Amino acid sequence: DAKTTQPTSMDCAEGRAANLPCNHSTISGNEYVYWYRQIHSQGPQYIIHGLKNNETNEMASLIITEDRKSSTLILPHATLRDTAVYYCIVRVQPGAGSYQLTFGKGTKLSVIP
Amino acid sequence: GAGVSQSPSNKVTEKGKDVELRCDPISGHTALYWYRQSLGQGLEFLIYFQGNSAPDKSGLPSDRFSAERTGGSVSTLTIQRTQQEDSAVYLCASSLDGGRWTDTQYFGPGTRLTVL
Repeated sequence: DAKTTQPTSMDCAEGRAANLPCNHSTISGNEYVYWYRQIHSQGPQYIIHGLKNNETNEMASLIITEDRKSSTLILPHATLRDTAVYYCIVRVQPGAGSYQLTFGKGTKLSVIP
Repeated sequence: GAGVSQSPSNKVTEKGKDVELRCDPISGHTALYWYRQSLGQGLEFLIYFQGNSAPDKSGLPSDRFSAERTGGSVSTLTIQRTQQEDSAVYLCASSLDGGRWTDTQYFGPGTRLTVL
């Protein structure tokens, strides 16, 4: 499995862009990068995923480097409700016992008023 | 549309009792997953259902844990003779088709189980 490395915590001022980095240097050519977040006492929430092209949706943008060894999740205008733990996940290929998502420690993002 | 729902939201039980946790997946989703999350820990995979296929039970921690999925929709996770170490948040997720590894899982709010 391609492992991911994320900073333990980050702060961001309210209204500013939050840029959350993730390293996945052992990613395979056909593995996708997924981002989820978990707000305190809630279930994980899907944010975005991508393979090699940059992706954008109503929640965030995902920038993947050309060599695919790292990526950055961008929340363009962070609000207090974006305070959460953000997980970067590389999705393994399906097979017996490998359908599950594997969450690491993630990055605790604190949005400061 | 409606997301994944779980009930109850909180369950407090005494050691040795049996508990049942329910999950209603998103309508039309054929894949359903159960995870648990202990305090301050990551997600631990428990079991996976895909359509009418036999479930992948590889993550169940002991034979006290079982799950079923009726009619390819609602799922029930049963824990028999609960132990204090079973205390955790039990999360259910569903996806359109778990056989595709680009498939996106959507999670419910979880059931917080406390075993006294």
